[in-house]
Amino acid sequence: SSELTQDPAVSVALGQTVRITCQGDSLRNYYASWYQQKPGQAPVLVVYGKNNRPSGIPDRFSGSSSGNTASLTIAGTQAEDEADYYCHSRDSSGNQRVFGTGTKVTVL
Amino acid sequence: QVQLQESGPGLVKPSETLSLTCTVSGASISNYHWSWIRQPPGKGLEWIGYLFYSGSTNYNPSLKSRATLSVDTSKNQISLSLTSVTAADTAVYYCARDLVVGVGCWFDPWGQGILVTVSS
Repeated sequence: SSELTQDPAVSVALGQTVRITCQGDSLRNYYASWYQQKPGQAPVLVVYGKNNRPSGIPDRFSGSSSGNTASLTIAGTQAEDEADYYCHSRDSSGNQRVFGTGTKVTVL
Repeated sequence: QVQLQESGPGLVKPSETLSLTCTVSGASISNYHWSWIRQPPGKGLEWIGYLFYSGSTNYNPSLKSRATLSVDTSKNQISLSLTSVTAADTAVYYCARDLVVGVGCWFDPWGQGILVTVSS
């Protein structure tokens, strides 16, 4: 399958931890990367590879993977973390790129 | 740092060809893959295709061969051509560096994006 499925929306209280999941068959063989997108802005890479963060991304963002599910965890969620989050990986053939359906994170 | 800038017409007529250019600064396009990605208004991200600096390409099959990527190494630019456009091709179009290491892949950085509207 070349699909990556995410929950459409999650909410989290300020300062609490939220986990966003991404499911797909290809994730058994390939790592996911994660992007944060705020309204009117281009997506920004927040986690890639096994669990790596680009320079400038706070360490409250972390990634993990198990079986066909990749997860992005935001610990101690801040108001500025309210955004859409997309996972991305290769498809099962390894030749194509595919995005998840996206999760809107609301900080309460 | 590496920066990408998309350019091209913001309005294209139905059935015509959409043509966009991505200019890369701060790095040579050599030795990297480069992807185009689009996002229809209010919707999610869709990968269009990638190109290696040597010219090899790979496309999203959903575009049914309408997309063509090309490279101009002398100008450090990557281009996208999308033929026979319809209103469904209205989207913000992004270019991004496509990094692959082992079983991981990621896009970084991204251009700011350009909105292309298909309308008569």
